[in-house]
Amino acid sequence: RKEVEQDPGPFNVPEGATVAFNCTYSNSASQSFFWYRQDCRKEPKLLMSVYSSGNEDGRFTAQLNRASQYISLLIRDSKLSDSATYLCVVNGKYGNKLVFGAGTILRVKS
Amino acid sequence: DAGVIQSPRHEVTEMGQEVTLRCKPISGHDYLFWYRQTMMRGLELLIYFNNNVPIDDSGMPEDRFSAKMPNASFSTLKIQPSEPRDSAVYFCASSLFPAGTGGHEQFFGPGTRLTVL
Repeated sequence: RKEVEQDPGPFNVPEGATVAFNCTYSNSASQSFFWYRQDCRKEPKLLMSVYSSGNEDGRFTAQLNRASQYISLLIRDSKLSDSATYLCVVNGKYGNKLVFGAGTILRVKS
Repeated sequence: DAGVIQSPRHEVTEMGQEVTLRCKPISGHDYLFWYRQTMMRGLELLIYFNNNVPIDDSGMPEDRFSAKMPNASFSTLKIQPSEPRDSAVYFCASSLFPAGTGGHEQFFGPGTRLTVL
């Protein structure tokens, strides 16, 4: 089983739609959770950290369910510029390393 | 700060040749990471350094791969001899602190796209 699993998509949505991505992780001892964004042929960049109580950053909301080992990302009012691959990231078994999911592709169309 | 700098941005080489990838981390960052990204395997951590010392190289695929960090502002990843299956994008990243702590954000360089023919 992979340490971090994501639905690869692609998710094709119209502008203005709300879209949600899910991610599961296998290491129950993981303490840190993130969403990174990667544009086509570019490097990954941190989108947001994910906190136990859930957190919001503008149109983006992240949730964590430790009991189910599940992380989600909700994007409201999708923009064309949101088109990218979204990587679910967890610190791995040995703490100092990040483990990246394979990514979920989002395509927002006008 | 210019961010993490990698060179070359693109490298095309023939099987059996030596390849050296270079990275300059963000000044003041104590952690440096080398990743490889392919369509099949996604983003994989190869090795990381703390204060120029290799801490975990368990992701290095085989003896053909080696990495060094002679000082705080420079690291290399070497493949010798290269093989077609090494074709991938190689990213270098740096951070202030380890994953899981405040200031943990990893800043990635633009990557080196390696093609081994």
